[in-house]
Amino acid sequence: DIQMTQSPSSVSASVGDRVTITCRASQDISSWFAWYQQKPGKAPKLLIYTASTLQSGVPSRFSGSGSGTDFTLTISSLQPEDFAIYYCQQAYSFPLTFGGGTKVEIK
Amino acid sequence: QVQLVESGGGVVQPGRSLRLSCAASGFSFSSYGMHWVRQAPGKGLEWVAIIWNDGSNKYYADSVKGRFTISRDNSNNMLYLQMNSLRAEDTAVYYCARDSARGLVEMGTIRGFYFDYWGQGTLVTVSS
Repeated sequence: DIQMTQSPSSVSASVGDRVTITCRASQDISSWFAWYQQKPGKAPKLLIYTASTLQSGVPSRFSGSGSGTDFTLTISSLQPEDFAIYYCQQAYSFPLTFGGGTKVEIK
Repeated sequence: QVQLVESGGGVVQPGRSLRLSCAASGFSFSSYGMHWVRQAPGKGLEWVAIIWNDGSNKYYADSVKGRFTISRDNSNNMLYLQMNSLRAEDTAVYYCARDSARGLVEMGTIRGFYFDYWGQGTLVTVSS
């Protein structure tokens, strides 16, 4: 199985800050990779797929980059509604696997 | 608009069975693969199973293989998860999710299974 390792596990930031979250795959997954956002008590929401393609309706302050084993999610200017947990996911092979999550908290 | 509504969760004793349902609307259900994803209380996300749009292929996480069965009824826009021999570690919120249909064949293998719409989830608690 492909292991997905996110870092950091949590980050404290202020509104307007630039926030970067990373995810590493245990093997080369090319660009078959996604980011999700989950708010308390809600289902996850797809933000980015194929490593860098923004899902329809997602604000442009979110961006993704990377390929192979190392990937990054960047929020260019953190907004109040962005405080949530972010998960990465590999879409390369079964079983599909997620990272452990990164909680973005208010500083 | 796309809607996915899960039902069938509840409290069940270890070793017993439960069937979850997911009612889909707002899209051509028979054109999309569907997944079940679960989340234990306070924990991360775990993919459980996928079924192809026509039901021709199914894949499972090792943790549920042989105990859970995913199925669908395209005539009624319904997705199911039959869960047998339940264990305490199966306690979780179970989400049904639509596959994004962004997959491509790469060297004979389909890659690119993403979850673009999710239901609100149904809680399954396995406890004596």
